[in-house]
Amino acid sequence: GENVEQHPSTLSVQEGDSAVIKCTYSDSASNYFPWYKQELGKRPQLIIDIRSNVGEKKDQRIAVTLNKTAKHFSLHITETQPEDSAVYFCAASPYGSGNTGKLIFGQGTTLQVKP
Amino acid sequence: EAGVVQSPRYKIIEKKQPVAFWCNPISGHNTLYWYRQNLGQGPELLIRYENEEAVDDSQLPKDRFSAERLKGVDSTLKIQPAELGDSAVYLCASSFDRLNTEAFFGQGTRLTVV
Repeated sequence: GENVEQHPSTLSVQEGDSAVIKCTYSDSASNYFPWYKQELGKRPQLIIDIRSNVGEKKDQRIAVTLNKTAKHFSLHITETQPEDSAVYFCAASPYGSGNTGKLIFGQGTTLQVKP
Repeated sequence: EAGVVQSPRYKIIEKKQPVAFWCNPISGHNTLYWYRQNLGQGPELLIRYENEEAVDDSQLPKDRFSAERLKGVDSTLKIQPAELGDSAVYLCASSFDRLNTEAFFGQGTRLTVV
C-alpha cells in the first residue's frame, strides 16, 4: 500500500526565513497531495494542495512543488511568521483515486518560528 | 457555517468499557471519514462513508470497532470493549464529494483509556 515519509520531524527557523518540508510517497498512482496545518489541540486545516497534472502551485507565502518521477513533493513557506508555528502534515491520495479525503498522511513536521 | 462538529471533546474511560463518538458533518456533505490520530503521528483512516454506505472500512478493527451513519448525515463510532492502545484522538472529516472538494476536519475527540 501507499507509504508517505515526511522530513524533517522538527524544524526551527528565524522569523522572516524560509522553511521547506519534504515528503516522498511510494504509490506512483497517487494523484492528489494536500498539506494540512495543525495547531496544538486544534483540527487539521488544509493550507494548499496539488494534483499530479501540475508541477507547482503557489498561494501567497506558501508554495508546493511536485516531482512525479521522483515521487516527492515539498512545502515551501517564505517570510515565516510566528503564527506559522504548528505541525504540518503532508498526505497523498492513494491508488489513483484522487479522493480528497481518503488520505495517507506523513508523520508530521513541527515547525517553530522564532521571533 | 458551524463546520464539522464532534462530541464529546474529551473522554476518559476504563479499559474494557464501551465508548461512542458522535460526528455531525457540514450540511450537504455526502462523504464522511473517521480518522484516528495517535500522539505525534499523522491521522490514519478508519472508515469512509458515501451517504449512508460504508465504502471503505478496510482499516477498521472490526472485532471491537463499529460505525454507522444512519440517514447519511450524522455518524457514530463505537469501541467495545476499549483497550489501552485505543487512546488517541478520533477525528471526523467530511467533504461535499470525494473528488473535487476539500475534506474538512472536526476538532476531534481525545480518548484516554486507563
